[in-house]
Amino acid sequence: DTEVTQTPKHLVMGMTNKKSLKCEQHMGHRAMYWYKQKAKKPPELMFVYSYEKLSINESVPSRFSPECPNSSLLNLHLHALQPEDSALYLCASSQGSFTGELFFGEGSRLTVL
Amino acid sequence: TQLLEQSPQFLSIQEGENLTVYCNSSSVFSSLQWYRQEPGEGPVLLVTVVTGGEVKKLKRLTFQFGDARKDSSLHITAAQPGDTGLYLCAGAEGWGTYKYIFGTGTRLKVLA
Repeated sequence: DTEVTQTPKHLVMGMTNKKSLKCEQHMGHRAMYWYKQKAKKPPELMFVYSYEKLSINESVPSRFSPECPNSSLLNLHLHALQPEDSALYLCASSQGSFTGELFFGEGSRLTVL
Repeated sequence: TQLLEQSPQFLSIQEGENLTVYCNSSSVFSSLQWYRQEPGEGPVLLVTVVTGGEVKKLKRLTFQFGDARKDSSLHITAAQPGDTGLYLCAGAEGWGTYKYIFGTGTRLKVLA
């Protein structure tokens, strides 16, 4: 099993809503990532968890709140988002070795109205 | 934060042509990966290069890591329409890091 599963695939929310994006991997990887990708742009790193601890936060606004309940699960809680937060949110995992090799999910496409 | 610049940004070629995509930085990376991404999907890993000067071949794709580990190239021979997509290089920032930074991307379209 070499999949990273993200749910939901599509999400539409208003600026006052609270929602969550979920990510799951069963490859035994110890690092999990959230990336944000705007149309026709490369992915931008948001957060990295290693061994279930937040190790990197790329100065992401507090309206995005990550959570790593266990080594297989990664959530991104969304609250009071802005329309410019509309994007494809990608989850990835890696073994954490220096050779990298990120395994990505298909992404959750978020639209903020 | 290290920057990875890719060139060209866009490339539209006929089936059967060859092409090269470049990924350049002023910083050293411990490893570098190449990914391809299709619309509405996550990037998929093509290759990882680790050693300076390393060359890896994957069927019609040839990847090279610069001697100084600051740059890389991807060469496609006899491009096919199925090669169409967004090509991204990504570098590991520092040693033993989990921080992978993506290049600016090259959007390739191969016409039948």
